[in-house]
Amino acid sequence: DAKTTQPPSMDCAEGRAANLPCNHSTISGNEYVYWYRQIHSQGPQYIIHGLKNNETNEMASLIITEDRKSSTLILPHATLRDTAVYYCIVPRTDNAGNMLTFGGGTRLMVKP
Amino acid sequence: GAGVSQSPSNKVTEKGKDVELRCDPISGHTALYWYRQRLGQGLEFLIYFQGNSAPDKSGLPSDRFSAERTGESVSTLTIQRTQQEDSAVYLCASSLVGGASNSPLHFGNGTRLTVT
Repeated sequence: DAKTTQPPSMDCAEGRAANLPCNHSTISGNEYVYWYRQIHSQGPQYIIHGLKNNETNEMASLIITEDRKSSTLILPHATLRDTAVYYCIVPRTDNAGNMLTFGGGTRLMVKP
Repeated sequence: GAGVSQSPSNKVTEKGKDVELRCDPISGHTALYWYRQRLGQGLEFLIYFQGNSAPDKSGLPSDRFSAERTGESVSTLTIQRTQQEDSAVYLCASSLVGGASNSPLHFGNGTRLTVT
């Protein structure tokens, strides 16, 4: 996988936007950027993914820089339930089972 | 729609016993993955099924671990002669297309296995 770098932790006030950065400077042209999160005692949850263009869904927005070397996950109005570890991942593109490698992620704490 | 379902949600077993964990993937998903997560650790890949192809077993830690999947449906992960180091949360995931970078994985909530 292309290596990703994320800050280990961030705080966000409830109701405010949470902006989570990720660096992936070795990403290849056909590799996607994925975001997952893991809330305590639950399995990882898929959030969003993108290749080149910015993406938005009901959970979040993904902003990818033009050179694709970094991206930002945006939770527009963070709630207490968004407290979780957020993982930025660039999966392998071969037909391999071990296509996901979860690094340390960013532990987001949403505070009232 | 229904997500990935795993059972049991919790399992406590004695050292040396065999256990069987079950995963029901999302309907229509051709790929199924098993991961293990020890307390406070990241996800560790175990095995991957893609349709009727031979599974990728490269992550299985020992020959005590095995898994089966019939077609594109239910999968079972079996651990024989359990050891205390097998204690972990066992996570199952499925995706529409396997091994493709444009196909998100959807995870179940796992089975928490405790070996006493």
